[in-house]
Amino acid sequence: KAGVTQTPRYLIKTRGQQVTLSCSPISGHRSVSWYQQTPGQGLQFLFEYFSETQRNKGNFPGRFSGRQFSNSRSEMNVSTLELGDSALYLCASSFDRGLQDGYTFGSGTRLTVV
Amino acid sequence: SQQGEEDPQALSIQEGENATMNCSYKTSINNLQWYRQNSGRGLVHLILIRSNEREKHSGRLRVTLDTSKKSSSLLITASRAADTASYFCATKETSGSRLTFGEGTQLTVNP
Repeated sequence: KAGVTQTPRYLIKTRGQQVTLSCSPISGHRSVSWYQQTPGQGLQFLFEYFSETQRNKGNFPGRFSGRQFSNSRSEMNVSTLELGDSALYLCASSFDRGLQDGYTFGSGTRLTVV
Repeated sequence: SQQGEEDPQALSIQEGENATMNCSYKTSINNLQWYRQNSGRGLVHLILIRSNEREKHSGRLRVTLDTSKKSSSLLITASRAADTASYFCATKETSGSRLTFGEGTQLTVNP
């Protein structure tokens, strides 16, 4: 079966701009989570969506937002980009929100803010 | 914030040797999961162990969990150069839906 697809793979943006990242989960998975990975902070939880509802949110400013569509595809948006937002953004999907089986991660979107 | 601490931060071994990585965490958990990451790419799920389990095997992987000490270990037996990667433990808390990751162990297997 197809894996988790994240687009785009690489992105370069300028400070102050906004960006939208996309994630298509594995077919049948209704849970989609987003993580930010940086060398300094490691892997940090951003938010989780399940059946189009945000179920949990990490400690990130309101500039970070997301949504999930009826087909379970998810997008995350970062507005007013800052240099510190440069990171690898990972999306993960799960059938059961990781309670019995683990998550399947996409290859990530590498965002560079200049 | 990171819940877990992983030990060691870096490990270098020869092909054929065993590699052991340790993970400690702070809160009550539903399960603990191990992931592998190659060179900044996506994470690959290796194994999940539930809070009521003490040991689990999958191929060359063996995971133990000690909830009284809030710690887990991952053993990779007969390591291969292809096992070179970063390994992360991640906990799923009983009260939440998020995964909380440790800082990771960078494993290098020399041919």
